[in-house]
Amino acid sequence: AQSVSQHNHHVILSEAASLELGCNYSYGGTVNLFWYVQYPGQHLQLLLKYFSGDPLVKGIKGFEAEFIKSKFSFNLRKPSVQWSDTAEYFCAVMIKAAGNKLTFGGGTRVLVKP
Amino acid sequence: EAQVTQNPRYLITVTGKKLTVTCSQNMNHEYMSWYRQDPGLGLRQIYYSMNVEVTDKGDVPEGYKVSRKEKRNFPLILESPSPNQTSLYFCASSLARPTGPGGANVLTFGAGSRLTVL
Repeated sequence: AQSVSQHNHHVILSEAASLELGCNYSYGGTVNLFWYVQYPGQHLQLLLKYFSGDPLVKGIKGFEAEFIKSKFSFNLRKPSVQWSDTAEYFCAVMIKAAGNKLTFGGGTRVLVKP
Repeated sequence: EAQVTQNPRYLITVTGKKLTVTCSQNMNHEYMSWYRQDPGLGLRQIYYSMNVEVTDKGDVPEGYKVSRKEKRNFPLILESPSPNQTSLYFCASSLARPTGPGGANVLTFGAGSRLTVL
């Protein structure tokens, strides 16, 4: 069965710092990749997705992620964070061959200090 | 407005008292799914449904039941809740079959239902 690993459980940084969250998955076939964000007290929202094409995808709020197939990775980045980026971030992998099942990573809590 | 609606949003109950969390979507989505979110474990899939009358187990189905009698509704049933089912539950839906590049496989989530079993 596929699995998704997010290496950092908690990240604390100051405003204007750069952010990179790691995500690795275990599946050798074709995948769709997602990053979701959950702001405090809210439901999950899609940040960005990769289906095919350019492996560098840009999402909302200045976030981007790079799909590196050889490393089975889909790391999320933002050059300069803001206090409003405080949230929990989830990487997810979807395999069509598994009936559109979406497998989530354990999440990374990001706290941005003003 | 396109959305997934869950009820109740908050519930405190006692061990063994049957409860149902409802989920309804207005987007004519074929695929619906239930997840539970626990600290450090992310979201784990409980059950999913590819279409009406088609349901299947996810990763953590024990202690739960679902039904899909209508396309828009996908209730989650806890026949005899136990304290280890205390969690935050999310319902989500999407188009099961891709209609083109982009959004077909993107899940839309409900606002969540926080359940506490004493």
